[in-house]
Amino acid sequence: QQPVQSPQAVILREGEDAVINCSSSKALYSVHWYRQKHGEAPVFLMILLKGGEQKGHEKISASFNEKKQQSSLYLTASQLSYSGTYFCGTESAYSGAGSYQLTFGKGTKLSVIP
Amino acid sequence: DTGVSQNPRHKITKRGQNVTFRCDPISEHNRLYWYRQTLGQGPEFLTYFQNEAQLEKSRLLSDRFSAERPKGSFSTLEIQRTEQGDSAMYLCASSPWGSGDYEQYFGPGTRLTVT
Repeated sequence: QQPVQSPQAVILREGEDAVINCSSSKALYSVHWYRQKHGEAPVFLMILLKGGEQKGHEKISASFNEKKQQSSLYLTASQLSYSGTYFCGTESAYSGAGSYQLTFGKGTKLSVIP
Repeated sequence: DTGVSQNPRHKITKRGQNVTFRCDPISEHNRLYWYRQTLGQGPEFLTYFQNEAQLEKSRLLSDRFSAERPKGSFSTLEIQRTEQGDSAMYLCASSPWGSGDYEQYFGPGTRLTVT
């Protein structure tokens, strides 16, 4: 079942902060965050694993609430380069831990303006 | 490391024809994933391989779709008897599963248009 992302779209001025949320109705093993710019392939940002392990790019932070099956991506001091569509991909706790077979949400379109 | 490559980048075909796409993963990446993406949607999982073994196939995937990864290197995705609903971007991703690197590295995709 597809995770639900919110908001669907957000417009920021450079330097402002944003939070993107991802919620699943299923128990999760991991949550992956990707950013996709128009006409390009998705690019990895971060993975959050059940149990607290996180790996990702330095300037990106995120959280994973295992009890609520929710994850949030925090974008601080936004830059023009942050513009794009952000997708969360979830891995079910029942799919075989570590398969990284992902179900992606519909995405959150972020636009950063000067 | 040249990244994941996919060929062709664009394919226009008539309904009912068969098409085959190729994905060349990053060398030594043992995992390979296929996704389909339509406008305004996130990537939709199709299937994945661990080396040459196909470990999972989406239940939503019609029998018209088949994928192979002979010798655990490149992979092909074939769609038989294409339908207009097959029009989408087909993405391939690879990862070095087991190395501690969780990232899926995506290729540029093959855009299929069925007329």
